Amino acid sequence: EDQVTQSPEALRLQEGESSSLNCSYTVSGLRGLFWYRQDPGKGPEFLFTLYSAGEEKEKERLKATLTKKESFLHITAPKPEDSATYLCAVGVGGSSNTGKLIFGQGTTLQVKP
Amino acid sequence: GAVVSQHPSWVICKSGTSVKIECRSLDFQATTMFWYRQFPKQSLMLMATSNEGSKATYEQGVEKDKFLINHASLTLSTLTVTSAHPEDSSFYICSARDFLGLKRPQHFGDGTRLSIL
Repeated sequence: EDQVTQSPEALRLQEGESSSLNCSYTVSGLRGLFWYRQDPGKGPEFLFTLYSAGEEKEKERLKATLTKKESFLHITAPKPEDSATYLCAVGVGGSSNTGKLIFGQGTTLQVKP
Repeated sequence: GAVVSQHPSWVICKSGTSVKIECRSLDFQATTMFWYRQFPKQSLMLMATSNEGSKATYEQGVEKDKFLINHASLTLSTLTVTSAHPEDSSFYICSARDFLGLKRPQHFGDGTRLSIL
């Protein structure tokens, strides 16, 4: 059975305190690993897609990495506006055109000034 | 960038009422649309997948007669919650993608908060 597990469930950081969020997965055929940010009462906002082990993507204070078993979302010198729930999703299914996303439970990040 | 619009953003109605939620892709052709349900402090659970012009594919445990999905055009999908009851109260989120599937990101609407009294 395809599974996605995120840790920790919640993370509190001081502004400027760097950390990493983890997304572990077991799937029969990975068709991409996706990171989203979700603010309260809103839909998920796309951040990154990773397709191959060793791949890395960066955007401002965020950097996503991928191995064959897990992905990390590194947050460098976070600011209060980075506070949100970060969702990891894996693409699974028969093909890239017909596959679907399976989401992890999310990590709720709070950055205090 | 790509935008998905969902309407209404919230709705309160009496038990037994049917509620329709619309999902529109504003700047691309959505060959596939998805409907998710999210309970407080939980992740997104896929309810169904719909391809334009075809019947929706429902996930295990989702009642197709309760949650009616229509995807009649490349820009519009609707979810109708029929004879809604308090247990149907939840946050419903739609998502859309184009013909390239998982080779491109899936974009989400801002959700509909449904409260059944």
